[in-house]
Amino acid sequence: EIVLTQSPATLSLSPGERATLSCRASQSVSSYLAWYQHKPGQAPRLLIYDASNRATGIPPRFSGSGSGTDFTLTISSLEPEDFAVYYCQQRSSWPLLTFGGGTKVEIK
Amino acid sequence: EVQLVESGGGLVQPGRSLRLSCATSGFTFSDSDVHWVRQAPGKGLEWVSGISWNSGNIGYADSVKGRFTISRDNAENSLYLQMNSLRAEDTAVYYCAKEGSRYYLDVWGKGTTVIVSS
Repeated sequence: EIVLTQSPATLSLSPGERATLSCRASQSVSSYLAWYQHKPGQAPRLLIYDASNRATGIPPRFSGSGSGTDFTLTISSLEPEDFAVYYCQQRSSWPLLTFGGGTKVEIK
Repeated sequence: EVQLVESGGGLVQPGRSLRLSCATSGFTFSDSDVHWVRQAPGKGLEWVSGISWNSGNIGYADSVKGRFTISRDNAENSLYLQMNSLRAEDTAVYYCAKEGSRYYLDVWGKGTTVIVSS
């Protein structure tokens, strides 16, 4: 089973600041990695797929990078609506999927 | 508009069974791979099970293997999750989600809540 480890668990930042979230896989997942945003009471939202491609309608302040075992989600300048929990997810072992434990981006 | 609507959640005693349904519309369900994902209280997202468009490929998380069964009815545009031998740790919001053209979960339902308690 592929394990995804996200860090940090919590990121305390102010609007306008840059957020850098990390996701590390226990073995290579190539570029088969996605990032999701999840807010309380809402359905998760796909942000990034295949490590670096923005999903439809996702603003350019969200970017993803990495391959193999190390991945990064960057939010270049936090907007108020960006404060949420972010998850990485791999599909390398489809149909078995795996999510990371999540990073909460909170207002400082 | 693409929609997925879960139903069937509720309060159930440990050891009992429950069947979740996911009604879909707005896309070609019979061409889509679909999944169940859950979130326990205070925890993160956990993938539960997935099924390919023709039911030819099915997968389960180790935590539910042997207890849960995923199925689909392409004629009814619906996805199901039969949950047997329920445990307290199965308490969660259960989401159904479809894969998009890039094989990631691009549309999700709003979830249905399952509480396993005596």
